[in-house]
Amino acid sequence: AQSVTQLGSHVSVSEGALVLLRCNYSSSVPPYLFWYVQYPNQGLQLLLKYTTGATLVKGINGFEAEFKKSETSFHLTKPSAHMSDAAEYFCAVSEDSSYKLIFGSGTRLLVRP
Amino acid sequence: DVKVTQSSRYLVKRTGEKVFLECVQDMDHENMFWYRQDPGLGLRLIYFSYDVKMKEKGDIPEGYSVSREKKERFSLILESASTNQTSMYLCASSPRSPNNQPQHFGDGTRLSIL
Repeated sequence: AQSVTQLGSHVSVSEGALVLLRCNYSSSVPPYLFWYVQYPNQGLQLLLKYTTGATLVKGINGFEAEFKKSETSFHLTKPSAHMSDAAEYFCAVSEDSSYKLIFGSGTRLLVRP
Repeated sequence: DVKVTQSSRYLVKRTGEKVFLECVQDMDHENMFWYRQDPGLGLRLIYFSYDVKMKEKGDIPEGYSVSREKKERFSLILESASTNQTSMYLCASSPRSPNNQPQHFGDGTRLSIL
């Protein structure tokens, strides 16, 4: 069965520092990959998605992620953290034949002034 | 803009009550989903529907049922609420094709069962 692992339930960075949130998936077929962000008391908002094509995907708010098939990874990065980036981030995967998403357990990003 | 609306942001009910959570989307999407979100567990799929009157069980359907009488509305029903169903519930929708489109989420209903 598909699974998604997000390393680190909490990540803390200083404002202006690099953000790196890790996501690894298990899949025997090329997956579709998503990153979502959840701000306090809100639903999930799509940050970016990988379906096919270019492995470096750019999303909203300056975030990007790189699909690395050999490492089964889809890590999320942002060069310079902003206070407004503080939120919970979820990685999700689906297979070609499924409508369903499998979510990781989430990583809460804290941004220190 | 895309909109998924959940009828309540906060709800408090008592053990044994029948509870209805309502979700409406205005995007003419075929697929609709109900998740529950618990700390450290991420989102877990309860039920989903790929068409009117069609439904499939997700990973944790026990204690829940759903109803989809109209394309835009998907209801989650707790038949007899229990304290272990206290959680955040999220509704989502997506188009059927092309496949693997992102899901669009509502703002969630935080449900407390006393």
